[in-house]
Amino acid sequence: ILNVEQSPQSLHVQEGDSTNFTCSFPSSNFYALHWYRWETAKSPEALFVMTLNGDEKKKGRISATLNTKEGYSYLYIKGSQPEDSATYLCAQYSGGGADGLTFGKGTHLIIQP
Amino acid sequence: DAGVIQSPRHEVTEMGQEVTLRCKPISGHNSLFWYRQTMMRGLELLIYFNNNVPIDDSGMPEDRFSAKMPNASFSTLKIQPSEPRDSAVYFCASSFGNMNTEAFFGQGTRLTVV
Repeated sequence: ILNVEQSPQSLHVQEGDSTNFTCSFPSSNFYALHWYRWETAKSPEALFVMTLNGDEKKKGRISATLNTKEGYSYLYIKGSQPEDSATYLCAQYSGGGADGLTFGKGTHLIIQP
Repeated sequence: DAGVIQSPRHEVTEMGQEVTLRCKPISGHNSLFWYRQTMMRGLELLIYFNNNVPIDDSGMPEDRFSAKMPNASFSTLKIQPSEPRDSAVYFCASSFGNMNTEAFFGQGTRLTVV
């Protein structure tokens, strides 16, 4: 994997159901993995920053896991609510001071009442 | 703190004109980033500064784009001359430390070049 890739591109979920989606990234030269939540007409807001293999972070009903050896991270949402509708972006920082954050194209999540 | 502040929020300009986008990072943050968001390419890093010094400008599309950070509280992204393909939303973000701390984004400037 040369770029940060997210799947699926879009997702419709019934209110109350749980869901998850994937971020894949190059496992070489890994430094940090960021998740952001981006609502329409707003700016992206950070959810998690993870750096260690096996990291698991949680914020309310949202949690994320990280596998740096195989190059993926999962974002989970438990008991989806309409306010969870947003685009979820992941971004990798490969370190070295010269790359910046490389973003995936996001997973567009729509929660249906 | 009011967060990262960008101006203007919207800009419509004619092809060939100079466009200047402005950003005020969060006070105390020492890293500043300019991103461009388009439907086709998603969110792309254009340039980032650390302690007011440009670290990586490899994402700047071409010589028509330039960015400056004259002090810790202000940065500009300039496009001269502008072209219709430059139409996009331009985001500025800042963070404290390096990239293992979260970045805080401004509201973006929606640029339309006609």
